[in-house]
Parts: sequence; structure tokens; C-alpha cells
Amino acid sequence: EDQVTQSPEALRLQEGESSSLNCSYTVSGLRGLFWYRQDPGKGPEFLFTLYSAGEEKEKERLKATLTKKESFLHITAPKPEDSATYLCAVQAGGYQKVTFGTGTKLQVIP
Amino acid sequence: NAGVTQTPKFQVLKTGQSMTLQCAQDMNHNSMYWYRQDPGMGLRLIYYSASEGTTDKGEVPNGYNVSRLNKREFSLRLESAAPSQTSVYFCASSEPTGLTDTQYFGPGTRLTVL
Repeated sequence: EDQVTQSPEALRLQEGESSSLNCSYTVSGLRGLFWYRQDPGKGPEFLFTLYSAGEEKEKERLKATLTKKESFLHITAPKPEDSATYLCAVQAGGYQKVTFGTGTKLQVIP
Repeated sequence: NAGVTQTPKFQVLKTGQSMTLQCAQDMNHNSMYWYRQDPGMGLRLIYYSASEGTTDKGEVPNGYNVSRLNKREFSLRLESAAPSQTSVYFCASSEPTGLTDTQYFGPGTRLTVL
């Protein structure tokens, strides 16, 4: 059974204090790993797809990396508007089989 | 482009009542999905439609039915609502391309069953 574990559950940072969120996964035959951002009361917003170990993608202050067992979402010099819950998900097997983690709730304090 | 839209945004039902959640997408995607999101749990797949005219059960289908009305629209029906169905419901759509496909989500419907 595919499993996705995100840590920490919650993270509080001062503005400008860089950190990383972790997503560890156990799947058979990874097709892709996704990162989403979810604001309170909103639907998940797509950020990145990573396909293979060693791959990295960047968007503004966010950089996602992938190894064979985990992915990291690095946040450099975060701002208060980066506050959100960040979800990790993996796709293995059929296209419709996507397993989501429970998310990391990030709070960035001015 | 509106992306994925859902109606209603909020709904309160009494146990035993029925309702239909509506979802539409304007991205010309073939695949559509219904998820529920509960505190402390990841998004869980209820039903999906790989293409127009097909529907399949996901992880938690009991108590729900779906209809893929056309390529744009995918509805979720609760025939007899139960308190355990209190949740936030998200619709998503995707278009498989090569290795994988990315799902794009709607804003959600917050359902309370009393």
C-alpha cells in the first residue's frame, strides 16, 4: 500500500527564516510526486511535479527536491504570504491512483 | 478560464436528506475526481471518471453516487446523508500526459450533516 508521511505537522517561522518541509513516501513504481499549496477555505493549488530522483524545481522562494525515498520543499527567506498548508502526493500505478499526505501547516510571522 | 468550479460552497443537511454536489471544468480535461478532506487525514478519493461515459470507485465510495454528465461536468450525490459524511468535498480534473498527470482542484464544498 502506498504511503505518504509529511513532517513536521506544523511549522512556525520568522519572516526571512529559511527551512524545509519533508515528505517521505513508500510506493511501488513512482510515476510522479506532487506538491500543492492549500490556503484556509480553499482548494489545493498545484506547485510542482517531480518525476525522478535528483530532480529539482523552483518557483519564487520555493524549491522542491526528490530522492528515492523522500522529497523536500525548501522555503528560502519566507514571507507572511507563504503561510499555508503544503500537501505532498504521489502517483503510482494507474493514473487515478494518487495518495496524499496530511500536510504541513506553515505559519510565517512578520 | 475559471478552471474547476463547484456548487454550492456551503451546505447543511439533516440526517437522511439527499443532495447533489456539482462540479464543472473548462480545461477540456478527460479525467475528473471527487475527494473528501477530513481533519488529520489526507485527501481521500471517493469516485473518479477517467473519461466521459466511465466512472469508477475510489477509496471511500460507500454512501455516494456519481454521474459524468458530459466532458465538462461531474456530479456527486448523497442519497441519504449521514453525520459521517460531514466533510469538505473537492472536485478535481486532469489530463494524462506521458508519465503522469496533474490534478487541478476546485474551491470545495463544505458540508455539514446534522
